[in-house]
Amino acid sequence: AQKVTQAQTEISVVEKEDVTLDCVYETRDTTYYLFWYKQPPSGELVFLIRRNSFDEQNEISGRYSWNFQKSTSSFNFTITASQVVDSAVYFCALILTQGGSEKLVFGKGTKLTVNP
Amino acid sequence: GAGVSQSPRYKVAKRGQDVALRCDPISGHVSLFWYQQALGQGPEFLTYFQNEAQLDKSGLPSDRFFAERPEGSVSTLKIQRTQQEDSAVYLCATFPGLARRNEQYFGPGTRLTVT
Repeated sequence: AQKVTQAQTEISVVEKEDVTLDCVYETRDTTYYLFWYKQPPSGELVFLIRRNSFDEQNEISGRYSWNFQKSTSSFNFTITASQVVDSAVYFCALILTQGGSEKLVFGKGTKLTVNP
Repeated sequence: GAGVSQSPRYKVAKRGQDVALRCDPISGHVSLFWYQQALGQGPEFLTYFQNEAQLDKSGLPSDRFFAERPEGSVSTLKIQRTQQEDSAVYLCATFPGLARRNEQYFGPGTRLTVT
């Protein structure tokens, strides 16, 4: 089965704390693509990052960083020095190629609340 | 506008009514997806269009759900004889070319409540 597990349902931190959101995936494919999306209260999913399976370099973008570990099938997301504007639901997703399309398979999401 | 737009943003329907949800993609975007997001869950795939061709409808939960994109641009998701379990946010996502493992651009969604 191809699936994404985000074990943390909700996380609450105080502003300026670092926070890591966990993502574990399962796939039969040898080549695969992973994504993180942010869903603020407005509801629109905002793309954050795409990672392919043959590039295991970790990535940093400002306060955001991602740790991809094929050995543990994990693709964790860390926010450094969190801010109130980071409050949102964050989804990890995997591309599933099946049935004529390449659709996203999402985890259940982690709701992050950053308190002032 | 520059992004994917959806209308209406909110829809309340009485059980048994038919509803139509509209997605206006970013101009020129070939690929269009519909997802259903239940409360507290991640989005789940419903159907995929490449231009006007519906290439994958494996995620549609029942034959009450129907989607079309007749001119390869605007798409409509229709739900007939709505049931309470249809209450969810319906998200449209598009991509400029073939959706080859690239990020999809999402609209704000239509929140459907069936009473």
